[in-house]
Amino acid sequence: KQEVTQIPAALSVPEGENLVLNCSFTDSAIYNLQWFRQDPGKGLTSLLLIQSSQREQTSGRLNASLDKSSGRSTLYIAASQPGDSATYLCAAPFSGGYNKLIFGAGTRLAVHP
Amino acid sequence: DVKVTQSSRYLVKRTGEKVFLECVQDMDHENMFWYRQDPGLGLRLIYFSYDVKMKEKGDIPEGYSVSREKKERFSLILESASTNQTSMYLCASSPTGWPGGTEAFFGQGTRLTVV
Repeated sequence: KQEVTQIPAALSVPEGENLVLNCSFTDSAIYNLQWFRQDPGKGLTSLLLIQSSQREQTSGRLNASLDKSSGRSTLYIAASQPGDSATYLCAAPFSGGYNKLIFGAGTRLAVHP
Repeated sequence: DVKVTQSSRYLVKRTGEKVFLECVQDMDHENMFWYRQDPGLGLRLIYFSYDVKMKEKGDIPEGYSVSREKKERFSLILESASTNQTSMYLCASSPTGWPGGTEAFFGQGTRLTVV
């Protein structure tokens, strides 16, 4: 059964720092891994989807990597800004298919000026 | 852009009421999902649908039912609302991919309070 773990649970950094958020999963036979952002009281916004055939995916200041053999993905945020403050969630597909996603508990990020 | 729209941002209902949460997507996606999100428990799958009139139970289906009469619309029904169903409800959709692995898109969430 797929299990997804995220560390750290919370992170507080000054503006301008480069950050790494970690996500680990137990079933390495995944087809993809997706990173989301959630602002308080809001829905989830898709940030990046990494297919199993890829090792990295980039969007602006965000870079996500996927290492299936070690069961890990990382989300790198360059030059963090206060507007990056949110909860970041990773999700991997359930082994049974249909794109059912198993979510990590999230990393709550606070970037202060 | 893919749009997943949930009919209400906030709802307050009374215990015992029948509650309908509606979700509509505009990208002709085959898969649609209902999750609930609670502090300390994360996101948990209630039901999902992979085609019109097709549905499968997720991890916590008790007390809920769903309806998918049209491809773009997926409804979550609380048959008799209870206070332990107070939560944030999130709808999502995704296309079917092969061998698997397509991007999921979420609505803005419905904060339901049962009093």
